[in-house]
Amino acid sequence: QQKVQQSPESLIVPEGAMTSLNCTFSDSASQYFAWYRQHSGKAPKALMSIFSNGEKEEGRFTIHLNKASLHFSLHIRDSQPSDSALYLCAVSLASSSFSKLVFGQGTSLSVVP
Amino acid sequence: GGIITQTPKFLIGQEGQKLTLKCQQNFNHDTMYWYRQDSGKGLRLIYYSITENDLQKGDLSEGYDASREKKSSFSLTVTSAQKNEMAVFLCASSGGCAETLYFGSGTRLTVL
Repeated sequence: QQKVQQSPESLIVPEGAMTSLNCTFSDSASQYFAWYRQHSGKAPKALMSIFSNGEKEEGRFTIHLNKASLHFSLHIRDSQPSDSALYLCAVSLASSSFSKLVFGQGTSLSVVP
Repeated sequence: GGIITQTPKFLIGQEGQKLTLKCQQNFNHDTMYWYRQDSGKGLRLIYYSITENDLQKGDLSEGYDASREKKSSFSLTVTSAQKNEMAVFLCASSGGCAETLYFGSGTRLTVL
C-alpha cells in the first residue's frame, strides 16, 4: 500500500524567505504528484502537479520531482504571510486509468512578517 | 466555475447515533470522494464513486456507508457515531484519473 510522508511537520519562516517542503512516497510505479494548500477552516485547493522527472515553475512556486529517489518537493520563493497554510502532498499510481490520490499528513507553514 | 456544497457545515450527534452527510457538485464530474481529516492532519479516503450507482471502499470505510444516487450527489452515513471519529469530513470531485480534485468546505462532526 502506498505510503506518503511529509517533512517537516511544521515550519515557521520570515516573510521574504525561500520555503522548502518535502514529500516521499513508497511506490516507484507512481505517476502523478500534486501539492494542495489548505488555509485554516477552508477547503484544500490544488496548487501544482507534475507527471515527469524534473522541475515545474508557476510564479513563486516550483515543484521538483525525482522518481528514482521517491521524492518530490515544493519550493516557495519570497514567502508571504498569505502563504501560511497546511500544505498537503498527494501521489497517484496510474495516469491512464482511474487511481485514487494518497495524501501525506501535511506540513503546517507559518510565514511571519 | 463549479462548486461543491456540503451539508450540514456542523453536525452534532450522540454516541451510537446514525448520521448522514450530504454533498452536491455542479462540475458534472464523474468521480466523487469522501475524505476524513483529523485535526490539522492529512486526508484519509473513506469511499469513492467513479460513476452514478458505483461505490468503492477507501482505506477507512469501516463504520461508514455511502450512496451515489445520481451523478451530482454523494452521501456518507456514519453508521454508529463514536467519539474517536470527531473530524472534518471533506467531499471532493474530479473529472477522472489524475485530474485535480475540487473540495467542499467540509462538515465538522462532533460526537457527544
